[in-house]
Amino acid sequence: DAGITQSPRYKITETGRQVTLMCHQTWSHSYMFWYRQDLGHGLRLIYYSAAADITDKGEVPDGYVVSRSKTENFPLTLESATRSQTSVYFCASSQGRENTIYFGEGSWLTVV
Amino acid sequence: GESVGLHLPTLSVQEGDNSIINCAYSNSASDYFIWYKQESGKGPQFIIDIRSNMDKRQGQRVTVLLNKTVKHLSLQIAATQPGDSAVYFCAESVSNDYKLSFGAGTTVTVRA
Repeated sequence: DAGITQSPRYKITETGRQVTLMCHQTWSHSYMFWYRQDLGHGLRLIYYSAAADITDKGEVPDGYVVSRSKTENFPLTLESATRSQTSVYFCASSQGRENTIYFGEGSWLTVV
Repeated sequence: GESVGLHLPTLSVQEGDNSIINCAYSNSASDYFIWYKQESGKGPQFIIDIRSNMDKRQGQRVTVLLNKTVKHLSLQIAATQPGDSAVYFCAESVSNDYKLSFGAGTTVTVRA
């Protein structure tokens, strides 16, 4: 049971470059989420998706784009990376409102 | 046991003692609460949850208490072990809204 896998786990990129973080889940969960975790801010929701082709903004969506063409994948794209987007990114999924949200192992992104 | 009355970012506890981690939530409409454990370099791991129609729920070595009157949530860990060293987050959500809002987290360090 693979669960949620994120890739890459570690990435260094330059300011202005486009970066895509991948997220894949094997549970066929309807809901998927992207959070970022920064010291002093805890976990903050970037984007979420209730089902394929349905996405919505979270607390800190600026500078990010998501898509969900397939239920199992939820990629997060930084269109033009900035240093303030240096963070740890967590993908998560849940079967539904009444169900637990499970997290991936995280993607460490550094923008130089 | 050792506890914090208010939320503090760190908690040091002697191995074998009981730990109490506190969390104050802000939204009086929140009706679903979860505790997560995050070990260094890993994603948050589900520990236990509770719904607003309950004030106490027990798991294996853990108990969650909910006081809706003062909007307070606590996690009790019995017989704390070295493997319990981690950051603990509380999270809340509102009915019909599957997004979670996370607290700042408490770092628990277990002393041998």
